Amino acid sequence: QKEVEQNSGPLSVPEGAIASLNCTYSDRGSQSFFWYRQYSGKSPELIMSIYSNGDKEDGRFTAQLNKASQYVSLLIRDSQPSDSATYLCAVNRDDKIIFGKGTRLHILP
Amino acid sequence: ETGVTQTPRHLVMGMTNKKSLKCEQHLGHNAMYWYKQSAKKPLELMFVYSLEERVENNSVPSRFSPECPNSSHLFLHLHTLQPEDSALYLCASSQASGYEQYFGPGTRLTVT
Repeated sequence: QKEVEQNSGPLSVPEGAIASLNCTYSDRGSQSFFWYRQYSGKSPELIMSIYSNGDKEDGRFTAQLNKASQYVSLLIRDSQPSDSATYLCAVNRDDKIIFGKGTRLHILP
Repeated sequence: ETGVTQTPRHLVMGMTNKKSLKCEQHLGHNAMYWYKQSAKKPLELMFVYSLEERVENNSVPSRFSPECPNSSHLFLHLHTLQPEDSALYLCASSQASGYEQYFGPGTRLTVT
């Protein structure tokens, strides 16, 4: 089992709809979870951090964490074409951050 | 300057050249990282420094040589590279190992 798993996509979502990005992780001891956005040819940008079970909202973004199911997700409300990017899930394990391979999101105008 | 900066932003070098990539973080962080990202591929962690000490070296070929003279600066020295080393090289820093990382803009390297 890979340490951090994401569907590579592409995930196509109509403009204005909710985009739902999912990530599972293997280490039950992980305590910190991050979502990064990476535009093509650019560097990853941290958009959300979540540390406890439940939802965390920041503008149009909501991160959801379920430690029992070892599952973290990112919801993007009112999707815009500018949200088209690759979204990387990252999870801490011991003193390391492990990145998933990313999900490509395509917002359809 | 704020955040994490990298120079140069673009570099073209021949296989026999020697060059260095520079990274500087202005965040007061204690850990710094080098990543390689080839076209349409995931991030590959190359090196990790914590408090200026190398703590991880992920089986990177010896033609890549990192240097961390202090907690704010990180270098990647390059020599006798191969065309397959062409990639985006990303530097990142974090407060400490295992904390959220902040990335620089990257150096786009082309080896001819």
